[in-house]
Amino acid sequence: AIQLTQSPSSLSASVGDRVSITCRASQGISTALAWYQQKPGKPPKFLIYDASTLEEGVPSTFSGSGSGTDFTLTISSLQPEDFATYYCQQFKSYPITFGQGTRLEIK
Amino acid sequence: QVQLQESGPGLVKASETLSLTCTVSEYSINSPYYWDWIRQPPGKGLEWLGSIYESGSAYYNPSLNSRISMSIDTSANQFSLKLRSVTAADTAVYYCARREPSGGFDYWGQGALVTVSA
Repeated sequence: AIQLTQSPSSLSASVGDRVSITCRASQGISTALAWYQQKPGKPPKFLIYDASTLEEGVPSTFSGSGSGTDFTLTISSLQPEDFATYYCQQFKSYPITFGQGTRLEIK
Repeated sequence: QVQLQESGPGLVKASETLSLTCTVSEYSINSPYYWDWIRQPPGKGLEWLGSIYESGSAYYNPSLNSRISMSIDTSANQFSLKLRSVTAADTAVYYCARREPSGGFDYWGQGALVTVSA
C-alpha cells in the first residue's frame, strides 16, 4: 500500500498567517492526490483534487501543488473558520490511503 | 444536492457482524461513480474500507483480512457494508461517500458511530 506522511502533525498559527502542510507519498503517484478539511463531529470536506484543482466553492486562499511524491497544501491567509484538521488522500492505486492528518490550531 | 445517510445498529457485540446501509438521495446511484465506505476511530485518522460500482464490482482494503463485503441495490438507491467478526478495534464512525472519477470523495454522509461491545 502507498503510505502518505503528513508534516507537521500539528501546527499553531494566527489569523492572517500563511501556512503550508506537506504530504509525502512512499512512491510516485503523479498528481492523484486530494486534500480534505475536517472539523470536530463533521465529515471531511473535499478541498482539492488532482493535487492542485480547487473543488467548486472552496476559497481561493487554499491552493495545492506538487506531483510525484511531494505535495503541499497552502492557505495564504488564515481565516477563523480554517482551524481544523487536514488530510491528504491518494487514489493512484488501491488500497486508497490517507495521511495521518495535520491539526491546525489557533496560536 | 447529493445526500448520503448511513443507517444501522450503533452497538454490535464482539465476534458478530457489523451491517450498515447508505441511502443516497437527490442522485441516482446508477451512475459512473464509485460508492465507498471510510471509517474513523475516535480521535484518530481516516481509513478507507472499500468501494463498489453500479455494476456490483467491488474493491476492498486488504487490511480487513477478507472480513468485508459490500453490496449495491440500485432499485433502492442504496449500498451496504458488512464487516464480520468485529472486535473493539472496529469501533469507529463509519462514513459512506461518493468518489468522483478524479478519485476524490466529493459527498459524504454525516457518519454513524458503531461501538463494538465485549
